Amino acid sequence: GAGVSQTPSNKVTEKGKYVELRCDPISGHTALYWYRQSLGQGPEFLIYFQGTGAADDSGLPNDRFFAVRPEGSVSTLKIQRTERGDSAVYLCASSYPGLEGYTFGSGTRLTVV
Amino acid sequence: AQSVTQPDIHITVSEGASLELRCNYSYGATPYLFWYVQSPGQGLQLLLKYFSGDTLVQGIKGFEAEFKRSQSSFNLRKPSVHWSDAAEYFCAVGARRGSQGNLIFGKGTKLSVKP
Repeated sequence: GAGVSQTPSNKVTEKGKYVELRCDPISGHTALYWYRQSLGQGPEFLIYFQGTGAADDSGLPNDRFFAVRPEGSVSTLKIQRTERGDSAVYLCASSYPGLEGYTFGSGTRLTVV
Repeated sequence: AQSVTQPDIHITVSEGASLELRCNYSYGATPYLFWYVQSPGQGLQLLLKYFSGDTLVQGIKGFEAEFKRSQSSFNLRKPSVHWSDAAEYFCAVGARRGSQGNLIFGKGTKLSVKP
């Protein structure tokens, strides 16, 4: 597609529920990143995929968070047993190595009530 | 550890006035530096980047930034601000060129523009 697409744009869920957030990167971009942006903060790195594999998952806060990219294109960020502290905007970005710059999606605003 | 500091949380300038947003970074090796802008409800848009070479880099929308290694700074400037520049601005540092690897972001500076 023309840009990085994230769905849904907004998600409200109850504490303890499971959620999935989807990212559809720019076609041909091999690298994909997930960031989390809390209110009043800059984006914080969560995980980075190069192709299908997670090249760096050091930013995932705990084992409730998991992400996949099975075919090297679309990625899904999965959060189990959501907590109110998980409320944030989750941003996805994609890039192509050698192409200078990352393209960000508009984000998914997750609210845990 | 890598870190980025944006000392100003909120800045207000008059339309037509000049602007400088401060960014200081901490990184042991050669930093790759970025400025992004975020409008409400939008994703991050790249304004400019520095990888090497000329320390004064030009970006989109009339913005420029200067890399000063001795001061560990990468301040963003614009000679004349427009009302449409009101947004939040983020400085970021990356470890690797070619858009590989994660970025470390500052907490952002919110810019308000007075008519």
